[in-house]
Amino acid sequence: GENVEQHPSTLSVQEGDSAVIKCTYSDSASNYFPWYKQELGKGPQLIIDIRSNVGEKKDQRIAVTLNKTAKHFSLHITETQPEDSAVYFCAAITPRNSGNTPLVFGKGTRLSVIA
Amino acid sequence: DAGVIQSPRHEVTEMGQEVTLRCKPISGHNSLFWYRQTMMRGLELLIYFNNNVPIDDSGMPEDRFSAKMPNASFSTLKIQPSEPRDSAVYFCASGPPTYTIYFGEGSWLTVV
Repeated sequence: GENVEQHPSTLSVQEGDSAVIKCTYSDSASNYFPWYKQELGKGPQLIIDIRSNVGEKKDQRIAVTLNKTAKHFSLHITETQPEDSAVYFCAAITPRNSGNTPLVFGKGTRLSVIA
Repeated sequence: DAGVIQSPRHEVTEMGQEVTLRCKPISGHNSLFWYRQTMMRGLELLIYFNNNVPIDDSGMPEDRFSAKMPNASFSTLKIQPSEPRDSAVYFCASGPPTYTIYFGEGSWLTVV
């Protein structure tokens, strides 16, 4: 089955700097890659996603890139702010004929933005 | 939309007691997932349903765990009897007939 590796496990950046989180996946058939942000005491919240027919997607200060050949995708946060501090999870999904299949999650990255 | 609704938000129970966690998925979503989150193991999929039918329960740790989805708007996850190692945050998530899933706020379980 699919396996998703995420790095780094912790990341500290100065406010205003950029943060990059990287994930690799194992199943070349995977075609959907969401990113979730989890704040303390809350459930994971979808912040951006990308499908395999797209190489890059951007939404204000966050962007995701996908390299299908290398089977890796990355989350980029620019001009980081203290409220970006959270745990970020990448995930991948492999389609099946039987319908929706569960996301396979990375282990998470704890991002700390230092004011 | 109110999002995925879970109850209770917090539960503290004694070892050996039965625990029932409840979930109301987003209306119109046909998939429902139960995840468990711990520091050691991260987010683990326990079981998921498509159109109220359990598809894969291989993530359920033991026979002490059971889940049901009697209709499209309600699901339960039951632990009987509970043990201290079951202490975790349990998330319910639902999804439409695409890949995106949306999480509830979680049920924080402590078994003492």
